[in-house]
Amino acid sequence: EDKVVQSPLSLVVHEGDTVTLNCSYEVTNFRSLLWYKQEKKAPTFLFMLTSSGIEKKSGRLSSILDKKELFSILNITATQTGDSAVYLCAVGRGTYKYIFGTGTRLKVLA
Amino acid sequence: GAVVSQHPSWVICKSGTSVKIECRSLDFQATTMFWYRQFPKQSLMLMATSNEGSKATYEQGVEKDKFLINHASLTLSTLTVTSAHPEDSSFYICSARVEGGLSGSNQPQHFGDGTRLSIL
Repeated sequence: EDKVVQSPLSLVVHEGDTVTLNCSYEVTNFRSLLWYKQEKKAPTFLFMLTSSGIEKKSGRLSSILDKKELFSILNITATQTGDSAVYLCAVGRGTYKYIFGTGTRLKVLA
Repeated sequence: GAVVSQHPSWVICKSGTSVKIECRSLDFQATTMFWYRQFPKQSLMLMATSNEGSKATYEQGVEKDKFLINHASLTLSTLTVTSAHPEDSSFYICSARVEGGLSGSNQPQHFGDGTRLSIL
């Protein structure tokens, strides 16, 4: 059975800290891995990863995929209170179906 | 670009009512849209894949007669929760994928803002 597991489930840090969120997967016919940020409404797209070892970066956020060990990490440096959200990992299989992890709830304290 | 609009944002209605939720791709065409359901503090669960001009594909355990999906055009899919009951209360989110181009089959999904459905 396909599964996507995220850890930790929940995380509380102080502003300025660096956090690393993990996503491991067992999915047949892997196509891509995506990271989303979900605040009060629907998820907003952060990164799409398809190749191992190539870091994607956007400001203080970065992510990398390891297709051999079947995991990805999302790093956030110099965290701010606005980074507080649920971070979702989704793995695309086949043509377009995505399987979501349960998410990591991040809270950044001022 | 790639904006998905979902309407309404919040619905409160009595048990037994049918509720229709619309999902529109505003600046792109989407032959495929997706409907998810999310319970509090849980992840998104795919309910069905909406295909323009054909029947939707439902995930295992999702009642087709309960959750009616219509995808009549390349920019609009609707989800109707028929005879809704309190256990149908949830957050429903649609998404669409930008298609076409060389990497059209490997594009991220873009989400609408979701509809919070509360059945009394």
